Amino acid sequence: DAGVTQSPTHLIKTRGQHVTLRCSPISGHKSVSWYQQVLGQGPQFIFQYYEKEERGRGNFPDRFSARQFPNYSSELNVNALLLGDSALYLCASSPGGQRPQYFGPGTRLLVL
Amino acid sequence: AQRVTQPEKLLSVFKGAPVELKCNYSYSGSPELFWYVQYSRQRLQLLLRHISRESIKGFTADLNKGETSFHLKKPFAQEEDSAMYYCALSTNQAGTALIFGKGTTLSVSS
Repeated sequence: DAGVTQSPTHLIKTRGQHVTLRCSPISGHKSVSWYQQVLGQGPQFIFQYYEKEERGRGNFPDRFSARQFPNYSSELNVNALLLGDSALYLCASSPGGQRPQYFGPGTRLLVL
Repeated sequence: AQRVTQPEKLLSVFKGAPVELKCNYSYSGSPELFWYVQYSRQRLQLLLRHISRESIKGFTADLNKGETSFHLKKPFAQEEDSAMYYCALSTNQAGTALIFGKGTTLSVSS
């Protein structure tokens, strides 16, 4: 198993644009969570999905949205990009419940 | 509010010296605590979780609810332990969302 995979690895956008980030969980994992990691900080929780339903949302504006597909893969969408959205976006998968989360390599987004 | 504090940004030790990475948390409920590690150019990976009470790569961590701490310890540091270490808290309030500290860079030199 390749573990959690994310695409793309790097992305450059300009302010006001929209971006879609993708995540494929470990086979058999039904829960996907998204985190934003700004340089010098720990990851900050954005969303958690389990069985295609949103189970949790962090303190992020409505410009951030996500969804989970029937195959448990997930997309994170960010509209009207701001310079401050530049960060490493991490996806983590888990079997669900109180199980540990396993992280992907991340997508590094740069907003100019 | 739930919070995880890692007071040291950088911890430098010599090979063979004991290591203690500090982590304090703020949460009124029953927490689940984790330590994650990120080696250079690698993804974030789980090191250990408090309910497992296991030792991974010689590291241990004990949850002290009285002091709201979950310090990571290793009696003899190795150069390969050099990495970024994150303490994380699961509150069960948003599924299995994790609240991370800002991380501590451990540098082990010979």
